[in-house]
Amino acid sequence: DQQVKQNSPSLSVQEGRISILNCDYTNSMFDYFLWYKKYPAEGPTFLISISSIKDKNEDGRFTVFLNKSAKHLSLHIVPSQPGDSAVYFCAASTGNQFYFGTGTSLTVIP
Amino acid sequence: EAGVAQSPRYKIIEKRQSVAFWCNPISGHATLYWYQQILGQGPKLLIQFQNNGVVDDSQLPKDRFSAERLKGVDSTLKIQPAKLEDSAVYLCASMGINTEAFFGQGTRLTVV
Repeated sequence: DQQVKQNSPSLSVQEGRISILNCDYTNSMFDYFLWYKKYPAEGPTFLISISSIKDKNEDGRFTVFLNKSAKHLSLHIVPSQPGDSAVYFCAASTGNQFYFGTGTSLTVIP
Repeated sequence: EAGVAQSPRYKIIEKRQSVAFWCNPISGHATLYWYQQILGQGPKLLIQFQNNGVVDDSQLPKDRFSAERLKGVDSTLKIQPAKLEDSAVYLCASMGINTEAFFGQGTRLTVV
């Protein structure tokens, strides 16, 4: 039972444009959401998070939007850079338990 | 601040052999996780420790997998005997109070 879903396995974006990565979840008890970035042969690294009491959190070029009624969150990267090319995992948590999506592989084309 | 350390980085074993992975979490982090990530999938939780106690091991295949965190710091994950479908990256993560989870680089296991 996949509680966190990333329906786009891959995404290609031109450098300088906006990258939008989407994530859907099913459990309304999730109260904290995170995005992790993973380069090949490395572990996932934390990128940005949002609490369920907010609908937007911004950190530099990265913004996460949360739509609780739709159980949907998205990560916006503006402007996209070639170094952003990686696999992005969405994660949702309740308490100390984390559930991950299957990841979206982002390729930023120079 | 030192990150989560895992060893070995890579391991190749034959099916039915046993293997052990080691994780040293970030100092002071009480929560430790072991995840299994099969190629093309997201990390799947195997076991979660709070200090040296198990919080959740519902997805751990207990007939072949075992994990311990005896002193509430380092942890080991063991597979015995290994199957071909155990080929995956095994990720260890730790989390402190009011922090996100930090991941190690993972151990890539190949069972042949």
